[in-house]
Amino acid sequence: DGGITQSPKYLFRKEGQNVTLSCEQNLNHDAMYWYRQDPGQGLRLIYYSQIVNDFQKGDIAEGYSVSREKKESFPLTVTSAQKNPTAFYLCASSIGGPAQTYYGYTFGSGTRLTVV
Amino acid sequence: GDSVTQMEGPVTLSEEAFLTINCTYTATGYPSLFWYVQYPGEGLQLLLKATKADDKGSNKGFEATYRKETTSFHLEKGSVQVSDSAVYFCALTPTDSWGKLQFGAGTQVVVTP
Repeated sequence: DGGITQSPKYLFRKEGQNVTLSCEQNLNHDAMYWYRQDPGQGLRLIYYSQIVNDFQKGDIAEGYSVSREKKESFPLTVTSAQKNPTAFYLCASSIGGPAQTYYGYTFGSGTRLTVV
Repeated sequence: GDSVTQMEGPVTLSEEAFLTINCTYTATGYPSLFWYVQYPGEGLQLLLKATKADDKGSNKGFEATYRKETTSFHLEKGSVQVSDSAVYFCALTPTDSWGKLQFGAGTQVVVTP
């Protein structure tokens, strides 16, 4: 079955460490996204990529970095510069281009990151 | 810019009650409209969608009608179950660009036996 796989489901980070969250999709989607969700809060866009080897900052990109070397993969690195990284992170993908207006996004099951 | 406004939660209901979650939007052009559902500890799932005015999206007993005249896309279900307890997000994508989804803040629904 096609879908998006996020790993790990739970991740613990020590202060000052960088960590990388994995997001892989086999939907042949061009566009991919990373969102952050805090308890009881909505979704905030971190980064997005409309095509391989290209990505743009979202609303809260500071302290995060991404890469898009393959169509299927869009890993997110939470750097030590992110002062409050404890949150639930969601990856999504979409078909991309004008057609995505009609299809929306497909989401992964999320990674819960906790700073210890 | 384009935006979505949802009613605040939590909305607490008894099983078999009628559910309405209000959603209104501001957009240029004619956006597509979506409802997503998030169960505890999980990602978002597409619940239903409508891509043009007067379209009705439906799924799992939920319905929403795209009302251009009132810029609304209210979600309704006639008889909720405990398993409908979740957070519901209204969202839109504008049609004048291949824009990113704009999400509302989400509405938590709690259904009690």
